[in-house]
Amino acid sequence: AQSVTQLGSHVSVSEGALVLLRCNYSSSVPPYLFWYVQYPNQGLQLLLKYTTGATLVKGINGFEAEFKKSETSFHLTKPSAHMSDAAEYFCAVSSRFQGAQKLVFGQGTRLTINP
Amino acid sequence: NAGVTQTPKFRVLKTGQSMTLLCAQDMNHEYMYWYRQDPGMGLRLIHYSVGEGTTAKGEVPDGYNVSRLKKQNFLLGLESAAPSQTSVYFCASSYGEVGNQPQHFGDGTRLSIL
Repeated sequence: AQSVTQLGSHVSVSEGALVLLRCNYSSSVPPYLFWYVQYPNQGLQLLLKYTTGATLVKGINGFEAEFKKSETSFHLTKPSAHMSDAAEYFCAVSSRFQGAQKLVFGQGTRLTINP
Repeated sequence: NAGVTQTPKFRVLKTGQSMTLLCAQDMNHEYMYWYRQDPGMGLRLIHYSVGEGTTAKGEVPDGYNVSRLKKQNFLLGLESAAPSQTSVYFCASSYGEVGNQPQHFGDGTRLSIL
């Protein structure tokens, strides 16, 4: 079964600094990969996804992620953090479960932005 | 533009009580899902449906039942609530199978079992 590991349950950066959220997955074949963001008291919103093709994927709000097959990683980055980026971020991978594709989520990384 | 709507938003139950959580989507999506979110564990799939009249078990189905009598609604039932079911429950829907189509999430139902 697929699994997802997000390194660091909490990440804190200064406003304007680089954001790097790490995600590693276990898979023997290239999966579909996703990053979701959750703001307080809200559901999850899709930031970006990788299915096939270009390994550098651009998402909303200036975020991007790079699929690295050799490292089984899909790290999320943003060059310059903004206060509005404070939220919880989830990496997810598609996994076939009982004949259908499902999402398997990492445990989440809470991002704090310091002024 | 409602998207996915969950009812209720908050609920407190006593151990042994029953309740039903309602999820409604207005996007004509075929697939619907129920997840629970617990601290440090991400989201775990409880049950899902690939179309009206169908349901299937996810990773953590024990203690829950579901029904999809209408395409737009997906109900999650707790027949005899237990403290271990204290969680935030999220419903999601998608037009097609995950990977090809993104999942759209509701805002969650916060459920406490005393």
